[in-house]
Amino acid sequence: DAGVIQSPRHEVTEMGQEVTLRCKPISGHNSLFWYRQTMMRGLELLIYFNNNVPIDDSGMPEDRFSAKMPNASFSTLKIQPSEPRDSAVYFCASSLVGVYGYTFGSGTRLTVV
Amino acid sequence: GQQVMQIPQYQHVQEGEDFTTYCNSSTTLSNIQWYKQRPGGHPVFLIQLVKSGEVKKQKRLTFQFGEAKKNSSLHITATQTTDVGTYFCAGPKSGGSYIPTFGRGTSLIVHP
Repeated sequence: DAGVIQSPRHEVTEMGQEVTLRCKPISGHNSLFWYRQTMMRGLELLIYFNNNVPIDDSGMPEDRFSAKMPNASFSTLKIQPSEPRDSAVYFCASSLVGVYGYTFGSGTRLTVV
Repeated sequence: GQQVMQIPQYQHVQEGEDFTTYCNSSTTLSNIQWYKQRPGGHPVFLIQLVKSGEVKKQKRLTFQFGEAKKNSSLHITATQTTDVGTYFCAGPKSGGSYIPTFGRGTSLIVHP
């Protein structure tokens, strides 16, 4: 099992540009989470999908952020336009509902200059 | 929604000393999970506690869930340099939710 796969590992972009982060969850997992981690705010939940449907997006900061899960094996988090305050490590995690533990990907370190 | 508070924020220890981090909630938790994140890494699931008063051990790590299910602790006996990292607790966002809400974590620094 390759685990949760995220790409890219690092992204440096200029303010105002569109950024797309990608995630491939573990096969068979039916829940997918996007988290953002910063020193100031810790690990914040952005959005939660269950069976490819967004269930809780209350953590999405604003309209500049959008997330999709077109099928069980792929999800994207898009920021348009990006701002310096979006700089953070973005983690994707997946799980099987009712089974203990959430598996995190290696994260994408985003720097917006 | 649910919030879990963790203390301390940082802990420096000499190798061989013990370490404890505490997690507290103002409301009853249906379960609590613990994760470890190495520097530059990602959170890795360690354990889940569900029952009131539950105690589980993993080698030198002991996890406890309070009788009222409002607090939990992680104790490491005789720390090693490999224990360095940030330890997070996570509780359900609300009620029977499957969405974990993470504490701010306790960063453990072990001095050789």
